[in-house]
Amino acid sequence: GNSVTQMEGPVTLSEEAFLTINCTYTATGYPSLFWYVQYPGEGLQLLLKATKADDKGSNKGFEATYRKETTSFHLEKGSVQVSDSAVYFCALFGSGGGADGLTFGKGTHLIIQP
Amino acid sequence: ETGVTQTPRHLVMGMTNKKSLKCEQHLGHNAMYWYKQSAKKPLELMFVYNFKEQTENNSVPSRFSPECPNSSHLFLHLHTLQPEDSALYLCASSRSGTRGSEDTQYFGPGTRLTVL
Repeated sequence: GNSVTQMEGPVTLSEEAFLTINCTYTATGYPSLFWYVQYPGEGLQLLLKATKADDKGSNKGFEATYRKETTSFHLEKGSVQVSDSAVYFCALFGSGGGADGLTFGKGTHLIIQP
Repeated sequence: ETGVTQTPRHLVMGMTNKKSLKCEQHLGHNAMYWYKQSAKKPLELMFVYNFKEQTENNSVPSRFSPECPNSSHLFLHLHTLQPEDSALYLCASSRSGTRGSEDTQYFGPGTRLTVL
């Protein structure tokens, strides 16, 4: 079945540091890949997505590139802010039929210190 | 994003109680979902409804009973739950009701459920 693995947190960085959160996946076919963000007390919000190999999703300074050869979708940001503190979830939507819902990783708690 | 609302935001119930969670989407979407978010575990898909028809039940125990009276409303009826059912229950919706759609899912804020 489908699965998503992402680095365990919490990840603690200083403001303006470079961020990488690793995500790898296992899926049949050619899934679509997503990063969702969950701020304290809120639901999940879509951050970015990519639907085919070599696509780059980007939003709010965050980027992730769909790498089929390494089955990865790592999240990066060049200069993080305190307001980026949240839990980040990598997810996939499989193309091989089955459930219509998303398969999520466990989430990475990001803490940005001023 | 305020397009998906959930009530109540917090719920404490005993194992013999019956309660219901409500989700409403104001986005004109045709598909709705229930997810369970437990500590230190990935979000788990529970149920999927497309055009009010249940298209997925992800091996969820019968003590959880979903209901979708129309495309805008989704309920999760709870009965004789266990303490391990304590979690954040998230509702989501997406535009297309077509099976296999890749449309973005929009999430509500969740209901924090505690079972004593």
